[in-house]
Amino acid sequence: QAQLMQSGAEMKKPGASVKVSCKASRYTFTNYALQWVRQAPGQRLEWMGWINTDNGNTKYSQKFQGRVTITRDTSASTVYMELSSLRSEDTAIYYCARRQGLDGFDPWGQGTLVTVSS
Amino acid sequence: QSALTQPASVSGSPGQSITISCTGTTSDVGTYNLVSWYQQHPGKAPKLIIYEVNKRPSGISNRFSGSKSGNTASLTISGLQAEDEADYYCCSCAGSATLPYWVFGGGTKLTVL
Repeated sequence: QAQLMQSGAEMKKPGASVKVSCKASRYTFTNYALQWVRQAPGQRLEWMGWINTDNGNTKYSQKFQGRVTITRDTSASTVYMELSSLRSEDTAIYYCARRQGLDGFDPWGQGTLVTVSS
Repeated sequence: QSALTQPASVSGSPGQSITISCTGTTSDVGTYNLVSWYQQHPGKAPKLIIYEVNKRPSGISNRFSGSKSGNTASLTISGLQAEDEADYYCCSCAGSATLPYWVFGGGTKLTVL
């Protein structure tokens, strides 16, 4: 069964950057796109962007354009999400999720809590 | 890239059926048959329960069903059970077919009375 394992919790100061990793296993990495979704405390799910793991093409939400970068390392079956210029409102759980074909995100990583505080 | 519109909360008694609506626009729900639904229990990652409007992943109960009409998608849960109490999110593909983006709904809290 496909699995996504994310890096551990991070605590950052405002203005800093954070880079979260998502390692895929038990499936062919380049056959599926990977998405990043975040959820602030008590808030809704928010789509951030996705990467074509085969060719590296990316698409980002307008909200995060210019602040988010999604990359992949095919040799390590790992996708990275870097968010810069952090502010307190970026405090959230960040999830990676595999897109199965055209639609449907499954499975999801366990989530990475990023806390932004001075 | 506005969020899809869902009711904030719905409720039902065990054994009853409920429906959660998800309203988008002609740029997302109205254009693509790529609407998915997720169930999220407190402290857990979301779980895919419906994709491509009305398809269920392996292992998901047939009590969950999806549909779409125009710019509005719907999730119906029949035979409500206590374990169905959770938050539910819809999600739709949007934008260009070559490099689309996705948008989630605001989420609906289901209470089983």
